[in-house]
Amino acid sequence: AQKVTQAQTEISVVEKEDVTLDCVYETRDTTYYLFWYKQPPSGELVFLIRRNSFDEQNEISGRYSWNFQKSTSSFNFTITASQVVDSAVYFCALSESSWGGATNKLIFGTGTLLAVQP
Amino acid sequence: DGGITQSPKYLFRKEGQNVTLSCEQNLNHDAMYWYRQDPGQGLRLIYYSQIVNDFQKGDIAEGYSVSREKKESFPLTVTSAQKNPTAFYLCASSTIYEGAGWIAFFGQGTRLTVV
Repeated sequence: AQKVTQAQTEISVVEKEDVTLDCVYETRDTTYYLFWYKQPPSGELVFLIRRNSFDEQNEISGRYSWNFQKSTSSFNFTITASQVVDSAVYFCALSESSWGGATNKLIFGTGTLLAVQP
Repeated sequence: DGGITQSPKYLFRKEGQNVTLSCEQNLNHDAMYWYRQDPGQGLRLIYYSQIVNDFQKGDIAEGYSVSREKKESFPLTVTSAQKNPTAFYLCASSTIYEGAGWIAFFGQGTRLTVV
């Protein structure tokens, strides 16, 4: 069975602190895709990153970085020097598999609510 | 601007009524999806469509219906058979080609409340 686990329900930090959001996934596929989305209070999910299972390089985009480790089935997201505008719910997602391999349907984790206090 | 438009933003339904949520996209995406979001449960897939005039049930399709008569539009009807319809509903679209990334883009959602 496929599953995405975001064990941290809520995290509260003070501005300028670094924070890591954990994502652990389960899949039997060798080819799959992982995603992170941000949901601000307005409600729309905003795409942050997509990573395929063959690319274990860490990625950095400004204050955001992602650590993908197949050995531990984790795809963690770190925000450096957090800001109040980072306050949102963050979702990790995994491409659902079918007999033909990975598909364009997503399995979402339950999300982590990040509150950044000024 | 390219994107996904959901309407209305807030919707109130009386017990026993059917209501329809609108979703329109101008991204020229083939695939469209409807998700339901409840507190603490993440997003669950209701229906999805990979092509016009075709759609498939997701994990929680009971009490919902959809149509896909145009590429741009994927309306969701919440029927009276849905026992607990109060939730936040999100529409999304994506390409169907793996090489293009399968990145799903979302609308701003419709908050449905049963009164």
